Amino acid sequence: DAMVIQNPRYQVTQFGKPVTLSCSQTLNHNVMYWYQQKSSQAPKLLFHYYDKDFNNEADTPDNFQSRRPNTSFCFLDIRSPGLGDAAMYLCATSRDGGNQETQYFGPGTRLLVL
Amino acid sequence: GDSVTQMEGPVTLSEEAFLTINCTYTATGYPSLFWYVQYPGEGLQLLLKATKADDKGSNKGFEATYRKETTSFHLEKGSVQVSDSAVYFCALSPRVGDSSYKLIFGSGTRLLVRP
Repeated sequence: DAMVIQNPRYQVTQFGKPVTLSCSQTLNHNVMYWYQQKSSQAPKLLFHYYDKDFNNEADTPDNFQSRRPNTSFCFLDIRSPGLGDAAMYLCATSRDGGNQETQYFGPGTRLLVL
Repeated sequence: GDSVTQMEGPVTLSEEAFLTINCTYTATGYPSLFWYVQYPGEGLQLLLKATKADDKGSNKGFEATYRKETTSFHLEKGSVQVSDSAVYFCALSPRVGDSSYKLIFGSGTRLLVRP
């Protein structure tokens, strides 16, 4: 049973061409997260939504935006992808964002920038 | 700031060998601690967690004990299988301040188990 779904699994874009990655969840969780994971590195939180409240990490570049039109869906928009944005992008959810809660991850979207 | 340090991999073991992956952390207060596993081509899955000192998390034969005195959360398994080959991430979630929602990951340790 898929709980956190990410599409597409692989995305190829051109330098500077906007790209959108999508995430959906069937868990009805309040919190959705976007992480960036570069090759052989730890996942790094970009931002998260608590319901409709958007929370940006201080060091997330302005090039990265997000939308959450409803509980189930969340999008990551990269306005002008650079070569350094090539990475795996992981979507995760948790029920209420408490520090004891499990975060449930999707399979990730691997982004390649040409 | 808060951080997690893991032993570097890859760790290569023969099937049925004993596994230890070291993890230490730096944090203000008493964070929750997690081990996540990432199988090839997949997202991260929770393996186990512990939310207070001396708690032991366990799942699928893996164990880790929250040691406040040594700020450690080492992962162990008595007998590994080929199917355990994956990347293992130690992570913490701060308990204080505005960052209590986030996971801070270590750099991951790749485990390769040979038949």
